[in-house]
Amino acid sequence: AAGVIQSPRHLIKEKRETATLKCYPIPRHDTVYWYQQGPGQDPQFLISFYEKMQSDKGSIPDRFSAQQFSDYHSELNMSSLELGDSALYFCASSLRGRTQYFGPGTRLTVL
Amino acid sequence: DQQVKQNSPSLSVQEGRISILNCDYTNSMFDYFLWYKKYPAEGPTFLISISSIKDKNEDGRFTVFLNKSAKHLSLHIVPSQPGDSAVYFCAARGLSGGGADGLTFGKGTHLIIQP
Repeated sequence: AAGVIQSPRHLIKEKRETATLKCYPIPRHDTVYWYQQGPGQDPQFLISFYEKMQSDKGSIPDRFSAQQFSDYHSELNMSSLELGDSALYFCASSLRGRTQYFGPGTRLTVL
Repeated sequence: DQQVKQNSPSLSVQEGRISILNCDYTNSMFDYFLWYKKYPAEGPTFLISISSIKDKNEDGRFTVFLNKSAKHLSLHIVPSQPGDSAVYFCAARGLSGGGADGLTFGKGTHLIIQP
């Protein structure tokens, strides 16, 4: 069965640079979620979109923004990167808010 | 404040025996609970869920029990197999986001199945 696809899988950036992470949900899923998992931490919810509209917002920094496009894929844009932004970033998708299925994650390293 | 708590960072169980992972929550607005299994450098894999209107859900070797009055849930795995060794996250969903709410995770329990 098709799963959530995330790209890139690994990304290395310098401080103050920008990064864009992409997420392709499971086909026919209408909701996308973004999570951040720091080393040794549990995943922290950032933001979600339902039918291309922002739905719920968690602990997303103002330097980050996200959107969901007409084909339901989503992008997380991160600007003015800081060392503390180094983490695993997961995207998940669901159908009408039911069970969330996670992608493999993007490992972001900020140097 | 940690709204979902997994108080056992690790648990060691012998192969073939029952593994019981526990989870407590504080937010009475949570209406849906999930268990995920996670290997290092991979995304969480969905295992089983339970709605707040039920007290038990079973799927193969996995059973989740929910005690709403105690704000406690547990995941039972029987019989435990070596491939079950992983970190298990308890997660809960609230109702504020109109159905697209983000999940609140516990800090995870590292389950180790010994041969």
